[in-house]
Amino acid sequence: DIQMTQSPSSLSASVGDRVTITCRASQGINEYLAWYQQRPGRAPRLLIYGASFLQSGVPSRFSGSGSGTDFTLTISSLQPEDVATYYCQKYNSAPITFGQGTRLEIK
Amino acid sequence: EVQLVQSGPEVKKPGESLKISCRGSGYSFSTSWTGWVRHMPGKGLEWVGIIYPYDSDTKYSPSFQGRVTISADRSINTAFLQWSSLMTSDSAMYFCARHVNPVTNGYYPDYWGQGTPVTVSS
Repeated sequence: DIQMTQSPSSLSASVGDRVTITCRASQGINEYLAWYQQRPGRAPRLLIYGASFLQSGVPSRFSGSGSGTDFTLTISSLQPEDVATYYCQKYNSAPITFGQGTRLEIK
Repeated sequence: EVQLVQSGPEVKKPGESLKISCRGSGYSFSTSWTGWVRHMPGKGLEWVGIIYPYDSDTKYSPSFQGRVTISADRSINTAFLQWSSLMTSDSAMYFCARHVNPVTNGYYPDYWGQGTPVTVSS
């Protein structure tokens, strides 16, 4: 099975900072990658699909890029409500696999 | 508005059976894939499997195959996740989610339920 590895596992940044999270697939997955945000105690929320397409209703400060094996999620200007764990997920074929998550905190 | 509403918290003993539910509304439940994701305390998300209610086509993660059963009742727009014999290691939050199918055999969740906490303890 294809493994998804995220980095870093956790990070702390200041409000207004640009934040980047990376996700690497053990094999090429074209652009079949999604990103999710999970705030503490809440259900996950779809942010990005197709590696770079913003889900309806998601703020434009979130963006995604990449294809093949290397992907990034960028938050252009960190806001307090962005405190959450972020997961990438590949969907080129079953079984679905998530990355291990990146925990984002505010300094 | 797409909504998925899950059944309430469960507390069970090892060896007991359990069936939790997820009711979808605001979209065509029968012709949409619905699946389940496990979230254990302090761990990441794990995909359990999905079902296509129209014909009951079901797919499981190898990690959960044989341990759980996913089913659906089209008449009440509800999907189910069940265990025949719970173990303490099944304790987790279980989320249901509608899945998009943009590529053959490829799926991603777009709308999620609120989660059902399952506690298995003697």
